[in-house]
Amino acid sequence: NAGVTQTPKFQVLKTGQSMTLQCAQDMNHEYMSWYRQDPGMGLRLIHYSVGAGITDQGEVPNGYNVSRSTTEDFPLRLLSAAPSQTSVYFCASLKPNTGELFFGEGSRLTVL
Amino acid sequence: GDSVTQMEGPVTLSEEAFLTINCTYTATGYPSLFWYVQYPGEGLQLLLKATKADDKGSNKGFEATYRKETTSFHLEKGSVQVSDSAVYFCALRNDYKLSFGAGTTVTVRA
Repeated sequence: NAGVTQTPKFQVLKTGQSMTLQCAQDMNHEYMSWYRQDPGMGLRLIHYSVGAGITDQGEVPNGYNVSRSTTEDFPLRLLSAAPSQTSVYFCASLKPNTGELFFGEGSRLTVL
Repeated sequence: GDSVTQMEGPVTLSEEAFLTINCTYTATGYPSLFWYVQYPGEGLQLLLKATKADDKGSNKGFEATYRKETTSFHLEKGSVQVSDSAVYFCALRNDYKLSFGAGTTVTVRA
């Protein structure tokens, strides 16, 4: 099984550019989420979804959009990148019975 | 809101030393508690979990006990190896909300 797949692994943007981080899972998990990881701050929840067509904001949603048209895919969009969005981004899906999160390998984004 | 506080690192140990990473939490209701581990260049993966008070989670020689009276879930390992070098995250789940601690970097020297 592929598990949770994120692309791209690395990206450099200029301030004001837009981009989409892709996330796909093949485990049929209803719950998916996006986190950002910054030094000394752990993981902070950006957005999450409890199923297709349903999304909600997490702890740090500003500057990011998400959509969930299928169970498998949960893309994260940056509409106008800012240097403060330089971070490592992780997508994760939740196995319902155990509560275990399955993480992608991460996407390192640098905004100049 | 829910929150997790874990001891700051970095922690540097010699092989076969005893490791403890403290974790305390604030939450309403009855959260589930987790420890995740992140090896260099990888995503996080579940190390162990406990779903109710007094449960003990264990895996790969690591243990943690869910202590409701002290709102704690400290991670311990009796004899660490170089391969245990990683970042360790304490986390709690309440309904669909998951909260993570800041992470503790552990380096084990041969």
